[in-house]
Amino acid sequence: DIQMTQSPSSLSASVGDRVTITCRTSQTISNYLNWYQHKPGKAPQVLIYAASTLKSGVPSRFSGSGSGTDFTLTISSLQPEDFATYYCQQSYSTPRTFGQGTKVEI
Amino acid sequence: QVQLQESGPGLVKPSETLSLTCSVSGGSISSHYCTWIRQPPGKGLEWIGYIYYSGNTNYNPSLKSRVTISLDTTKNQFSLKLKSVTAADTAVYYCATEVGVAKRYWSFDLWGRGTLVTVSS
Repeated sequence: DIQMTQSPSSLSASVGDRVTITCRTSQTISNYLNWYQHKPGKAPQVLIYAASTLKSGVPSRFSGSGSGTDFTLTISSLQPEDFATYYCQQSYSTPRTFGQGTKVEI
Repeated sequence: QVQLQESGPGLVKPSETLSLTCSVSGGSISSHYCTWIRQPPGKGLEWIGYIYYSGNTNYNPSLKSRVTISLDTTKNQFSLKLKSVTAADTAVYYCATEVGVAKRYWSFDLWGRGTLVTVSS
């Protein structure tokens, strides 16, 4: 299985802050990396696929980068609705695996 | 708009079989990889497996001996059975559909809200 190491596990930020979350994989996965946002009681939503492609309808303040084993999710200017938990996930092989999540708090 | 909704018992006894159904509304599950994912309390997301509309399945090796995912295209539903459960199987269970862009870049495009299943006597 491909292991996913996501950091930090949580962070405190303010509205307007630039936030960066990193994800490292145990083996190279090219750009087969997705990012999800999850709010309590709601269905998770894909934000970015193929490491850097923004899902249709997702605000442009979200961006992704990276290839190989190191990836980054950036929120350029944090908005109140962005407080949530974020997960990375590899789609290079099965079993699909996820990072442990990063909780973005005020 | 396509929506997924999980249903099933919220409490299962140890050694019994956990059974959940995912109902799909607003669209067809044809040509989708119908997937189950779970999240134990305080832990990360774990991929359980999928079934394709052709009937092809793929399970997480860690659960393979206990898992069955099935599909009912007439009802637009797919189901999960996990046998011989223990407390370690207590989790929020999500159904999701995995779709591919250019049949290459796969992601879980749609999710249900999840249902908590507790394993306890």
